[in-house]
Amino acid sequence: GAVVSQHPSRVICKSGTSVKIECRSLDFQATTMFWYRQFPKQSLMLMATSNEGSKATYEQGVEKDKFLINHASLTLSTLTVTSAHPEDSSFYICSAKIGGEKLFFGSGTQLSVL
Amino acid sequence: GESVGLHLPTLSVQEGDNSIINCAYSNSASDYFIWYKQESGKGPQFIIDIRSNMDKRQGQRVTVLLNKTVKHLSLQIAATQPGDSAVYFCAEGQGAQKLVFGQGTRLTINP
Repeated sequence: GAVVSQHPSRVICKSGTSVKIECRSLDFQATTMFWYRQFPKQSLMLMATSNEGSKATYEQGVEKDKFLINHASLTLSTLTVTSAHPEDSSFYICSAKIGGEKLFFGSGTQLSVL
Repeated sequence: GESVGLHLPTLSVQEGDNSIINCAYSNSASDYFIWYKQESGKGPQFIIDIRSNMDKRQGQRVTVLLNKTVKHLSLQIAATQPGDSAVYFCAEGQGAQKLVFGQGTRLTINP
């Protein structure tokens, strides 16, 4: 069964609003989670590394003020897309590391900004 | 910069045949490699992984081959089934560091 749960699976919002995406690790504690972004027919691009109890580490070119990451507990990380615009429309995926290296992914969130 | 890429963007095979998906990587320091399968609208699903101290690893119907000399990784799927149709990504990493994903190969299984 799934070890990483991501919600919602699909969200449509108006331009200028904020959207929160949740990523939960099931039955295990994840001190580190990762957030990816994927455009159609493209690969996964790492946006940031979410660390429990500390600030997230963002990849070059990712706006930390626009993509807010909170990892307040060992089983939950959230990604908030603030003041979303149509160009933020994408497939967002979270993952958590198990056993040191193996990554398990959530089911993804399709964000559509109108 | 370092990159992971694939030789073919698409691959079509007949149901029941074997398929081979290839991947090239350029970071010689990478010591951990993974293959993921992604179906439309879903998150990636772990298939198989391999460490750099191995050159072959087998799973259920899948085999991963690693050639460090030419920095090449391949995924072999035996006796393909319709459910194998998906996009397959390879990814590389160094120990517990973040993974870098390749561009993906779309595998289509023809009936």
